Amino acid sequence: DTEVTQTPKHLVMGMTNKKSLKCEQHMGHRAMYWYKQKAKKPPELMFVYSYEKLSINESVPSRFSPECPNSSLLNLHLHALQPEDSALYLCASSQDVGAGGTLSTDTQYFGPGTRLTVL
Amino acid sequence: AQTVTQSQPEMSVQEAETVTLSCTYDTSENNYYLFWYKQPPSRQMILVIRQEAYKQQNATENRFSVNFQKAAKSFSLKISDSQLGDTAMYFCAFITVGRGIQGAQKLVFGQGTRLTINP
Repeated sequence: DTEVTQTPKHLVMGMTNKKSLKCEQHMGHRAMYWYKQKAKKPPELMFVYSYEKLSINESVPSRFSPECPNSSLLNLHLHALQPEDSALYLCASSQDVGAGGTLSTDTQYFGPGTRLTVL
Repeated sequence: AQTVTQSQPEMSVQEAETVTLSCTYDTSENNYYLFWYKQPPSRQMILVIRQEAYKQQNATENRFSVNFQKAAKSFSLKISDSQLGDTAMYFCAFITVGRGIQGAQKLVFGQGTRLTINP
């Protein structure tokens, strides 16, 4: 089963709201990712978790707060977002990550995404 | 910097025709991985094919095959007997090692090629 699930599918929020996006995988993958994708553009990496620890933060504003409660779950907490944050938010996972500069051979599997609209 | 270039923003062919999508990349590394991902309209991004740089043999997956030219840093995707379901945005992507503690896997995407298969 190569399935990554994401909830909700759609989310509309005001700039003062607090909301969370959820991602789940049951493939035993130890790396999980958040991407932001604007229309007709490639995904942009936001965060990488490796073995439930934050490994990469691509200089994302603090109004986005990731959390990895366990190896199967990944959350993205949203607070005080701006209209320009409206986008498709994709979660992905892969079996493992390369340690100490070595390359992982593993493919990233993507979820269907959450389409976020900030009013 | 690692970059991936897809020079064809849009392509359109008739059903059953063969189509080739181009991709070039730039890296100073010798061992890496290349991917083609497919993202149908409003649907999930899925892996089409993967190529390991140390393998000279071109990867194939049913109607999908690649022409990997390592010296030229070229990685084109050929779709044979194209079908209506092949209509999608196609992203070429390259694995690089990120800045994380464990050298996390970081995909670098091209800008994408929007492929339309006409009946």
